[in-house]
This record gives sequence, structure tokens and C-alpha cells, in this order.
Amino acid sequence: AQSVTQLDSQVPVFEEAPVELRCNYSSSVSVYLFWYVQYPNQGLQLLLKYLSGSTLVKGINGFEAEFNKSQTSFHLRKPSVHISDTAEYFCAVSDQGGNKLVFGAGTILRVKS
Amino acid sequence: DVKVTQSSRYLVKRTGEKVFLECVQDMDHENMFWYRQDPGLGLRLIYFSYDVKMKEKGDIPEGYSVSREKKERFSLILESASTNQTSMYLCASSLWNQPQHFGDGTRLSIL
Repeated sequence: AQSVTQLDSQVPVFEEAPVELRCNYSSSVSVYLFWYVQYPNQGLQLLLKYLSGSTLVKGINGFEAEFNKSQTSFHLRKPSVHISDTAEYFCAVSDQGGNKLVFGAGTILRVKS
Repeated sequence: DVKVTQSSRYLVKRTGEKVFLECVQDMDHENMFWYRQDPGLGLRLIYFSYDVKMKEKGDIPEGYSVSREKKERFSLILESASTNQTSMYLCASSLWNQPQHFGDGTRLSIL
């Protein structure tokens, strides 16, 4: 069975500072990996995805993530955050044969001025 | 852009009522999903469907059922609502092996 661990439930950071949100997964098969963002009172929006190919994936709003197979990680990074990045971020995994997603518990990013 | 529409943003029902949550997508997606979202637990899959009239149980199907009579519509049914079903419910749809697109959610309170 697959599982996803987001290592931090909350990450406070000052505006224009870099940020890393950590995600580790476990799976016995090859996987697809995703990061979604949820702004207050909204549904989830896809930030980026890793399906195959380059292990460094660039997404929307200046975010990027690196797939590390040996460490089973898919950490999300942004070099300089804005107040508008305040949201909850979810890491998710699916196996390559299907479409079911397994989500982590989420990380709340709080950007302070 | 894909549009996934959930019929209600907020809903208040009483214990024991039969509750229907509706979800419609406009992009001819084969796959549709229902999740519930609770603080500290992330999203958990209740039911999903890969085609009309087919359904499969997710990780937490107890107390729920679903209906997919048309490709664009996927309904979640709480047969007899209980207070522990108070939660945020999210619907999603996707093409095969493509990322899921989510609706804005229904915040359901069972009193």
C-alpha cells in the first residue's frame, strides 16, 4: 500500500524568504507524484506533477519540486515567497497503473510580512 | 478550463437524514472521485468511478453510497447522516492517468 508523509504540519516564513515543504512517500511500485495547493475556502489546484523524465519539475507560481527515488522524497521549493502563497499544500502519490491518489496530511504555509 | 461544480458550498442537516451531495464536470472525464477532508488527516477517498454506472469503494466507504447515472454527474449519498460525517467533501474528475481537477468543496454540518 502507498502512503505519504508530510513532515511539517505548519511552516511559518517571512515574505521573500525561501521555503521548502517536505514530502516522503512509500510505494512498492513506480509512482506518479503531485503537489496541490488549497487556498482558503477553495478546492485543490494542481501546482506541479512528476510522471517521468527529468527529476526537477517546475510548476505554477514559481514553485518547483525534485523527485529523489533513492530517498523516496518529493520536496517542494520556492526561492522567494509572497504573502499570497499562504495556503495549505498537499503532496499526493498514485501508482502508474491507476488513478487513485493517496494524500499526505497537508502543510500549512504561513507567509508573514 | 475544466469545471467541476459541487451543488452546495455549505449544507446543514440533521442526524438520521438522507443527504445528497451532487457533483458535475463539463470535460467528458471518465473518472470521478469523492473525498472527505478533515484537519490533520488530509483527503481520504470515499468512492470513485471509472465509468457510468460503475463504482468502487475507496478507503472509507462506510456510511456512504454513490450514484453515477450519467458520465458528467457523480452523487454522494449519506444514507443516514451521523455527526461524525460532519466534514468538508471534495469532488474531483480526471482523464485516465491525468491529474485530478477538484471542485470548491461542500462543507457539511450534521447536527
